[in-house]
Amino acid sequence: EPEVTQTPSHQVTQMGQEVILRCVPISNHLYFYWYRQILGQKVEFLVSFYNNEISEKSEIFDDQFSVERPDGSNFTLKIRSTKLEDSAMYFCASSEWTAQETQYFGPGTRLLVL
Amino acid sequence: GENVEQHPSTLSVQEGDSAVIKCTYSDSASNYFPWYKQELGKGPQLIIDIRSNVGEKKDQRIAVTLNKTAKHFSLHITETQPEDSAVYFCAATYSGGYQKVTFGIGTKLQVIP
Repeated sequence: EPEVTQTPSHQVTQMGQEVILRCVPISNHLYFYWYRQILGQKVEFLVSFYNNEISEKSEIFDDQFSVERPDGSNFTLKIRSTKLEDSAMYFCASSEWTAQETQYFGPGTRLLVL
Repeated sequence: GENVEQHPSTLSVQEGDSAVIKCTYSDSASNYFPWYKQELGKGPQLIIDIRSNVGEKKDQRIAVTLNKTAKHFSLHITETQPEDSAVYFCAATYSGGYQKVTFGIGTKLQVIP
């Protein structure tokens, strides 16, 4: 069964550093998403991406965040200058069509900002 | 924006008993309601979903009900098994072009053998 993969599984960084989280969505899917889950809290939507552009973003997704599909398989989330409060589990997801279709989640990247 | 409330936050049941998790949503425009199961160290996995044009959907031991008037929906797991132990999230979204899925806080279900 096809699955969404994410790398790295864990990342530790210093406050102020840039991090790039990588995802490989399911190959025939057209919509891609990033979510985050702060420890003990709900999963929060960050951004959705379709046809090489952001289709929707939340208030959390401010100027320090960016997403990119640099090639035909990868989908990345960049945090330009990390803050302590960016520490969370970041999930990538993809769906064949819209959010109305099943979103398949990756295993997540645990980011710790020190 | 949409707000999804979920309860209980934790639930312990004996193996073989039923478990019920309830959610409410605030935006009457929401019309798609997926449920996710998250096992330790893994991402959320869809287990069942329901659209606003139906009131109930069942898949083996799992069923979901939706009351559009009251804006609440529930997950029912019957004949629970230890492997059902996980965190369950309800969610809501709208098909009118929005991509955002709003999640509930999650329910940690423990099935006691």
